[in-house]
Amino acid sequence: ETGVTQTPRHLVMGMTNKKSLKCEQHLGHNAMYWYKQSAKKPLELMFVYSLEERVENNSVPSRFSPECPNSSHLFLHLHTLQPEDSALYLCASSRDTTFDEQYFGPGTRLTVT
Amino acid sequence: AQTVTQSQPEMSVQEAETVTLSCTYDTSENNYYLFWYKQPPSRQMILVIRQEAYKQQNATENRFSVNFQKAAKSFSLKISDSQLGDTAMYFCAFMKQGNSGGGADGLTFGKGTHLIIQP
Repeated sequence: ETGVTQTPRHLVMGMTNKKSLKCEQHLGHNAMYWYKQSAKKPLELMFVYSLEERVENNSVPSRFSPECPNSSHLFLHLHTLQPEDSALYLCASSRDTTFDEQYFGPGTRLTVT
Repeated sequence: AQTVTQSQPEMSVQEAETVTLSCTYDTSENNYYLFWYKQPPSRQMILVIRQEAYKQQNATENRFSVNFQKAAKSFSLKISDSQLGDTAMYFCAFMKQGNSGGGADGLTFGKGTHLIIQP
């Protein structure tokens, strides 16, 4: 256990559904991240939050909408997804964005039908 | 932009053998961190070892050690006395260090090497 939890672990949704992924860290960290892990591709950074403010948005389509209500929680709201969005979505946290080590959650396996 | 290349999609060795996973990277930065992460079949990514670019000494963590060649931009991972529990995907990752906060760019990962330890 890394101190970062994600729910749900598996999610199947249709292209017209709206769903949310949740991440919670119990490490007292101030920075949180969303990554996308697709088969045969490197992990891709999606969003970075520092002290609840978004500091990075890597040209992610607007059908992905992040929310960070406090430094312990991070959400990824999903709407009108495409089948190519099916992937493992990983959340990570670090002490702050100037600190190197990131701790990862177990991921949410998303399937878009 | 940084890139990380892992040229070995899959490797298989016998238990107790030593195995080396390769990683090369490309960057114009002078200050950065390098990491090896392990992702077992349960999927939770965990940090194996890290190296600060300004340190000449290679990092070691028990059975895991790295060979960091800054000029060659090479960062290989050596696993000694391999164990069945070492079976996992191994990812090499890069993060630049800077005043704005290296983490604001997150980690840049390679595609990974699937390491299989055979009994």
